[in-house]
Amino acid sequence: AQKVTQAQTEISVVEKEDVTLDCVYETRDTTYYLFWYKQPPSGELVFLIRRNSFDEQNEISGRYSWNFQKSTSSFNFTITASQVVDSAVYFCALSEATTGTASKLTFGTGTRLQVTL
Amino acid sequence: NAGVTQTPKFQVLKTGQSMTLQCAQDMNHEYMSWYRQDPGMGLRLIHYSVGAGITDQGEVPNGYNVSRSTTEDFPLRLLSAAPSQTSVYFCASSYLGGFTPYNSPLHFGNGTRLTVT
Repeated sequence: AQKVTQAQTEISVVEKEDVTLDCVYETRDTTYYLFWYKQPPSGELVFLIRRNSFDEQNEISGRYSWNFQKSTSSFNFTITASQVVDSAVYFCALSEATTGTASKLTFGTGTRLQVTL
Repeated sequence: NAGVTQTPKFQVLKTGQSMTLQCAQDMNHEYMSWYRQDPGMGLRLIHYSVGAGITDQGEVPNGYNVSRSTTEDFPLRLLSAAPSQTSVYFCASSYLGGFTPYNSPLHFGNGTRLTVT
């Protein structure tokens, strides 16, 4: 069975600090997808990134970066120079790369990030 | 283009009452699903469908029924509400066939907050 673990329940940082959100996953599949979603206080789920298991290149998008390491089954998310608007709950998720089931996401329990001035 | 529309946004039920949470998408997505979000539990899959007339159970299906008579609609039915079903419910849809650089990730509705007293 698939499993996603986000061990950090809540993180508090001061604005402009860098912060890393950890995500560890378990799967028996050799091909899979990994995701990060953001849930701001307004409640909607915002897609941030998707990675394929065969693409271990790290990704950077503005202040956001993702480190994917198959050797440690981790897909960590770093926010550089955090801002108050980054305050949200962040979810890591995993799915199989199989037609009909690639959309069946298994979510972690989320990490609540609080950024203060 | 409305995306995924969930109604109602809020609902209060008494134990034993029944109701249907509505979900509609206008993107011609084959795949539709229902998740529930509870504090400290992340999002858990209730039921999903890979096309009209086809449904299957997710991780937490007990107490819920679904049907998929059209591509657009995927209602979630609570036949006899229980306090344990107090939660935020999200409907999500996507194309089948896995993810490529050219198709979309899971699209979420804005959620229905259900309270059962």
